[in-house]
This record gives sequence, C-alpha cells and structure tokens, in this order.
Amino acid sequence: AQSVAQPEDQVNVAEGNPLTVKCTYSVSGNPYLFWYVQYPNRGLQFLLKYITGDNLVKGSYGFEAEFNKSQTSFHLKKPSALVSDFALYFCAVRANYGQNFVFGPGTRLSVLP
Amino acid sequence: DTGVSQDPRHKITKRGQNVTFRCDPISEHNRLYWYRQTLGQGPEFLTYFQNEAQLEKSRLLSDRFSAERPKGSFSTLEIQRTEQGDSAMYLCASSAEWGIEAFFGQGTRLTVV
Repeated sequence: AQSVAQPEDQVNVAEGNPLTVKCTYSVSGNPYLFWYVQYPNRGLQFLLKYITGDNLVKGSYGFEAEFNKSQTSFHLKKPSALVSDFALYFCAVRANYGQNFVFGPGTRLSVLP
Repeated sequence: DTGVSQDPRHKITKRGQNVTFRCDPISEHNRLYWYRQTLGQGPEFLTYFQNEAQLEKSRLLSDRFSAERPKGSFSTLEIQRTEQGDSAMYLCASSAEWGIEAFFGQGTRLTVV
C-alpha cells in the first residue's frame, strides 16, 4: 500500500527566507513523487516531479525538491519565500507500476511580510 | 489547450437528490481520474479511466456513485440519493499515455443541505 505523510499542518516563514515543506512516503517498488500546490478556491497545480536520476529536481515558481531514498523523503524547498507562495502544498506518490496517485494531507504555507 | 475543465464549479443540492458532474480532460489525454477532497484533507482517489475503460475503483466509490467515460473523451460522475457526507470538492485530472504527472481541473464543490 502507498502512503504519504506531511508532518506539519502549517509552516510559517518570513518573506525572503528559505522555506522547507516536509514529506515522507511509503510505496512498494520505485516511487514517482510529486508536489502540487493549491491556491485558495482553486484546483491543484503541478509543481514538480521525481522519476529517476538527480535527487534534486527543479520545478515551477522557483521551487525545488530533494529525493532521499534512505529516508524515504521528498522535501519541498525554495531559497527565498514570497508572500504570493501562500497556499496549500500537497505531496503525492505513485508506484511506477500503478496509476493511482496517493496524496498527503497537505501543509499550509504562510509567508509573513 | 485550456486544461482540464469541470462543470459546474459549484452545486448546492438537497439531501436525497441526484447530481451529475462533468469533466473534459486535456485533449489527447487518454487517462482520467476522479478524486474527492474534503476540507483540510488531501485528495482521495475515487476512480480511474484509460480511454473508455474504468480500470480502478476505490472503496470510497459506494453503490450510489457511478462514473462513465463513454467515448473516451469527457467523463461524468453521478451521485444518487445524496447525503450530507457527500459534501466535498470533486476533482478531475487527466494525463497522457506517455505522461507521468496528472493535471487537475478547478473542481466542483458540492454542498448537500
């Protein structure tokens, strides 16, 4: 069975500071890992994915994520937070043999000006 | 290409009524997913189509729920005899045969009163 944990319900960061949103996963086989962002009253937008290769993947809006196989983690990062980054962030996993995406519970990011 | 389109965006219905939602995926995407998202939670998988074939269904999809994709293009999700517990955001997503990530629509917010 696949599962995703996001240990923080909320992350607060000052504008201009680096941010990290944590994600750990469990899946049989090799994982495909994703981050999606949901702005208020909007659907989910794809940010980035990890399939294979370089453990650091870059995505939209300056976000990046680091895959760590030994820790089964896929933390989302950004060097400098913007007020406009205020949103819900969801980590998701999909087994490479399957089609179903399993999402974490989400982390709300607040950026303080 | 305008992305995944869902209609209606909002639906308020009385308990016991039937409702139907429509999803138009990105053109040429043969994979289509339905998810349900309740407040404060991550999206939960409901069902998955490849072309017109419904290949996977979650246990969340009770007998009152039915989904179709008759020509392998748009899809409908019907809920019969709605209950207050059905109140949620219903999200549709699509992906290409060769793709890994899924792209989501804006969702249909259902309120059962």
